[in-house]
Amino acid sequence: GNSVTQMEGPVTLSEEAFLTINCTYTATGYPSLFWYVQYPGEGLQLLLKATKADDKGSNKGFEATYRKETTSFHLEKGSVQVSDSAVYFCALSEKTSYDKVIFGPGTSLSVIP
Amino acid sequence: NAGVTQTPKFQVLKTGQSMTLQCAQDMNHNSMYWYRQDPGMGLRLIYYSASEGTTDKGEVPNGYNVSRLNKREFSLRLESAAPSQTSVYFCASRDRAGANVLTFGAGSRLTVL
Repeated sequence: GNSVTQMEGPVTLSEEAFLTINCTYTATGYPSLFWYVQYPGEGLQLLLKATKADDKGSNKGFEATYRKETTSFHLEKGSVQVSDSAVYFCALSEKTSYDKVIFGPGTSLSVIP
Repeated sequence: NAGVTQTPKFQVLKTGQSMTLQCAQDMNHNSMYWYRQDPGMGLRLIYYSASEGTTDKGEVPNGYNVSRLNKREFSLRLESAAPSQTSVYFCASRDRAGANVLTFGAGSRLTVL
């Protein structure tokens, strides 16, 4: 079945450091890929998405590129801020089965001043 | 513009008690979902509803029932609560025809003693 694997962390970085959170997926078709973010005490919200191979999603300085050949969707940011401290979830949605959205285990990020 | 509203936010139950978590969305979305979030496990899909009148099991449906009362409302019922159901529960909805993105509620923290 479909699945998402991501580095679990926790990840601790100093402010202005470079961030990479790895995400790989297994899917039978050509899924849409997402990164969601969960700030403390809140529900998840969409950070960025990509719907086909080689698409790059971007938002708030975060980027991720849909790599079909490596089945990956790694999240990157060039300079993190304290306000980026949150849990980040990689997710996929199969186009042939739109209704199921599968999440990875989440990666906790703490950014220290 | 409320989005997805869940009630209650917090609940403590004794083993064997029953309760219903309520969820309503005001975005005219077709699909609705119930997830549970546990430390180290990420989000796991309990049940989902692709449209009014239909429901399907997710990864972890045992011990739960759902009702898609109308297009707006999707409730989750625990008939006989167990300590293993202690978790944070999230309701979400999705517009299948639109951006294909999940919108989450703020979560309901349930403790079963």
